[in-house]
This record gives sequence, structure tokens and C-alpha cells, in this order.
Amino acid sequence: QKEVEQDPGPLSVPEGAIVSLNCTYSNSAFQYFMWYRQYSRKGPELLMYTYSSGNKEDGRFTAQVDKSSKYISLFIRDSQPSDSATYLCAMSGTNAGKSTFGDGTTLTVKP
Amino acid sequence: GAGVSQSPRYKVAKRGQDVALRCDPISGHVSLFWYQQALGQGPEFLTYFQNEAQLDKSGLPSDRFFAERPEGSVSTLKIQRTQQEDSAVYLCASSPEGTVEQYFGPGTRLTVT
Repeated sequence: QKEVEQDPGPLSVPEGAIVSLNCTYSNSAFQYFMWYRQYSRKGPELLMYTYSSGNKEDGRFTAQVDKSSKYISLFIRDSQPSDSATYLCAMSGTNAGKSTFGDGTTLTVKP
Repeated sequence: GAGVSQSPRYKVAKRGQDVALRCDPISGHVSLFWYQQALGQGPEFLTYFQNEAQLDKSGLPSDRFFAERPEGSVSTLKIQRTQQEDSAVYLCASSPEGTVEQYFGPGTRLTVT
């Protein structure tokens, strides 16, 4: 079993919908939780990160971490066709060193 | 400013050939990471440098894989005697000191035939 599990989708929603993306993990040492967006044939791009439990909001994006359940979420409000991409969650035990990634969820937002 | 660059963007190698993949990190970034991404999967950690010191190479799949960053800037990932299972996208990321924010390059797509 992988340390980080992510539903691969694919997920298809109409423009303007609220999107919920989720990951579960098994390693209780993880303290930093990141969300990356990856367009086809490009490198991942960091959207936001959270330290420990709690919520963080950045524009249309909200990240939530529940360490007691080992469950993290990314919500996208008012989704746009330009949000169509693969979303990767990633986790790290420290503010340096490697990140452990999920396998990504592919999202399509239809106009 | 310039982001992370990688070269070549695409590489086709015959099984058994050696390959060298280059990464130019963002100027001033202390940390440099190599990841391997297979089709339909997330990046898998290979190795990590802080300046010129290789602090973690636990993800290198075999002794055919070797990475270096001799002057603490440009890094090279070398794969000897390539095998078909080495076919993947190799991603390089750099990071300022003391942050989890990793900035990725576009990757090198390696195909071993």
C-alpha cells in the first residue's frame, strides 16, 4: 500500500462547479501538505501548502488538513476550463528534504 | 526570473546505452531534487542535494543511477546501461533554503527502446 493515496478520477464537472479533491495518507510523521497542478507535458506547479492541521484559503482555492483522520482536501470554487489539469497532493515530514506524492486526480472542467 | 530548466527535453536511448540528464536550478536555490514520474503516476523521489552535498539518495532504484551537483548549482543525473523500465519523465526541482516550496522544471522524457 502506498503512503499517499489519491483517487485518480477522472473527474469531469461543468464550469462554475465546486470541485473537491482528496488524499489520504498513512505516515503520521507528515507535517507539510502541498497541492500541485500539472498540465500535460509540463512539470508540477505548487498551488499552496499547509503546515499541520487546519484550513488555508488562496483565491478560489481552499486546502484543508485533518491530521486526526490523515485526510487532506483541496476545494476549487467557481471552477474554470483553465483549471483542467492533473492535481497532485504531496507531503513532507520537514520543511526540507523529499516530498511524497499521490498519483494525481485528472480534472476536466467543461465550458 | 528564469525558472528551472532541463535538457534534453526528450531523449531516446537504446537499451544498454548510458544517458546524462541536466538540470539548471533557479539561481540561489540551495536545495535540488530529482524525481521520476511514470505515465499516470505521481513523481517518485530519487535524490536530494543541499548545495553540493547529496543528503538523501534513498530513492535511486539501482546502482546504475548516479547524480551529482559538484559546484552546488547545475546537477546531472546519469543512468548507466539503460533498461526499458527506466522509461519515464525525469523531473528536477529546486527550492530556497528552509521551505517546502519546490519549483519544478519541465522534465526530460526518456524512452528506452
